[in-house]
This record gives sequence, C-alpha cells and structure tokens, in this order.
Amino acid sequence: DQQVKQNSPSLSVQEGRISILNCDYTNSMFDYFLWYKKYPAEGPTFLISISSIKDKNEDGRFTVFLNKSAKHLSLHIVPSQPGDSAVYFCAARSPFGLTFGKGTHLIIQP
Amino acid sequence: EAGVAQSPRYKIIEKRQSVAFWCNPISGHATLYWYQQILGQGPKLLIQFQNNGVVDDSQLPKDRFSAERLKGVDSTLKIQPAKLEDSAVYLCASVNGTGLLYEKLFFGSGTQLSVL
Repeated sequence: DQQVKQNSPSLSVQEGRISILNCDYTNSMFDYFLWYKKYPAEGPTFLISISSIKDKNEDGRFTVFLNKSAKHLSLHIVPSQPGDSAVYFCAARSPFGLTFGKGTHLIIQP
Repeated sequence: EAGVAQSPRYKIIEKRQSVAFWCNPISGHATLYWYQQILGQGPKLLIQFQNNGVVDDSQLPKDRFSAERLKGVDSTLKIQPAKLEDSAVYLCASVNGTGLLYEKLFFGSGTQLSVL
C-alpha cells in the first residue's frame, strides 16, 4: 500500500520553462512534507519542505504547494535550469518516520 | 565539513553469502539512519540510532539483517545470508539532534549491493 505516490516516473521540460512535480498521499497522519533531490551516484539532498498547517512555501526558484483537502502537493521550479535534472523524491512525516515516494526523474532539455 | 562517508561503494555477492556495510556520520551527529533503496523505489527506513541506542528497527528484517553503532559514532549494517531481493542501494544518513524535521538529514552516497 503506497502512502506517498508520485505517479510520473519521468518529466521532460525545456530550459527556462516551469517544472511541476506532483505528489499524492493517503495518510492523514502526515504532518510535514519534504522534497529531496538526488543526482546519480549521490545520496538525496534536502530541497524544500512544508508544514501541514501551511499551503505554500517558497525558496528562490522552488515553491511547494500543499492542498490538504485533496491530499496533494506539488513542487514548482521556475525557471528550470540544466542543473535541475535529477530525481525528485516527495517524502511525508508521521510519528512512524519518513515515507518516500518512488521519485520523478526530471530532465531539463536545452 | 566532511560529509557522511560510506564504504564500500559497490559490492557484488552470491546469494546466501554475507556482506557488511560501513558508515561514518558527520562529526557530532547523534542520530544515524540506514535506508534501503530498491531500484525504482524511494528510500525505506531500516533502522534509526540515537547515539548508540536503537530508536526504531521495526522495518529491519531481523532474521538476516543486523546493525550496530558501537560508541555512538560509526555504524555497520550486515546481511547474513543475503537473498536476491536484497539487491539495492543502502544509504546511511545522519543528523544533529533528534532529526524530527528530517530537513537536516545528510545522506551518504550509498553502497550499491548486487546479489547474484
């Protein structure tokens, strides 16, 4: 039973355009959501997070939106840059720890 | 600041053999995690240490997996005997304090295990 779902295994976006990565969750106990970025042969690195009491958090080119009623969050990257090409994991926190989605491979095309 | 160090980088073994992974967290980080990432999946927590004590090992297959963190610094994860389905990247992560926010989690590059 997947509690955190990233339904797009890959996404291709042109450089300079907006990248939108989506994530759905099923567990109402999740109170904190995070996005991690992973380059090949490296460990994941923290990108941005949002508390369940907020609906938006912004950090430079990265914005995360949370829709609690729909149990949906999204990561917006504007403008997309070549260095953004990576796998992005959505993760959600509960009292039992952190649950990760399967990841979305973002490819930024020149 | 040095990052989380893991070794070996790659390991290939046959099923039923044993294997051990080593992790050296960032200096001063009290909390250490081992994650398993199977190809095409997100990382899954195996075990969490706070200093040298186990906080959570509920998802560790204890019939074949074991982990220790003697002296509250380095940690080793062992699999004995290995099965084909253990093929994965094993990630170590550390954080200062309790790590409840998970934002300050620092991951190592991982050990890629192939069981043949």
